[in-house]
Amino acid sequence: ETGVTQSPTHLIKTRGQQVTLRCSSQSGHNTVSWYQQALGQGPQFIFQYYREEENGRGNFPPRFSGLQFPNYSSELNVNALELDDSALYLCASSLDRGSNSPLHFGNGTRLTVT
Amino acid sequence: QQQVKQSPQSLIVQKGGISIINCAYENTAFDYFPWYQQFPGKGPALLIAIRPDVSEKKEGRFTISFNKSAKQFSLHIMDSQPGDSATYFCAASKMAGRRALTFGSGTRLQVQP
Repeated sequence: ETGVTQSPTHLIKTRGQQVTLRCSSQSGHNTVSWYQQALGQGPQFIFQYYREEENGRGNFPPRFSGLQFPNYSSELNVNALELDDSALYLCASSLDRGSNSPLHFGNGTRLTVT
Repeated sequence: QQQVKQSPQSLIVQKGGISIINCAYENTAFDYFPWYQQFPGKGPALLIAIRPDVSEKKEGRFTISFNKSAKQFSLHIMDSQPGDSATYFCAASKMAGRRALTFGSGTRLQVQP
């Protein structure tokens, strides 16, 4: 069984640029969530996708957007990058959007904005 | 607003000792409380979780104690081992609807041989 995979593992961008991060869900999982983890902090919920539709959003501005594809893989897009966007971005998948299904996290993409 | 407060920030325990990490939550709508373990360079991995209809749950060396009236829950690691050295996060969410976990700020545990 393949776990959650994220790409790239590391990325360096300049302030004002745009970035796309990718995530492949664990096999059979139809729900994907994205979290931002600043250094030394706990992850913060960005949004969740269920069957290709956004199904909940945290306190993040509209320049954070996402997509989920028919194969349940997902992208996180961030426009107009700011220095504070530097963080580990985690993707998590689950079997469904109910809470009986635990989240399985990938190892994240480390984004550095200079 | 920090809805889940976690303490201590760091913890050093001798091998074989008991590690205790505490969390307190504010939102009474929360009714799912997982603990995650994170090693450097890795994503968080679910360790154990509890719902508020029970006061304690044990899985191997890991036990969650839950106090609904005090809105507090804690993780106990019995017979702590050097391999347990990691960062631990408590979290909380609502059962229904979206699966937005609210995480604590983490506890860095170091188990000395």
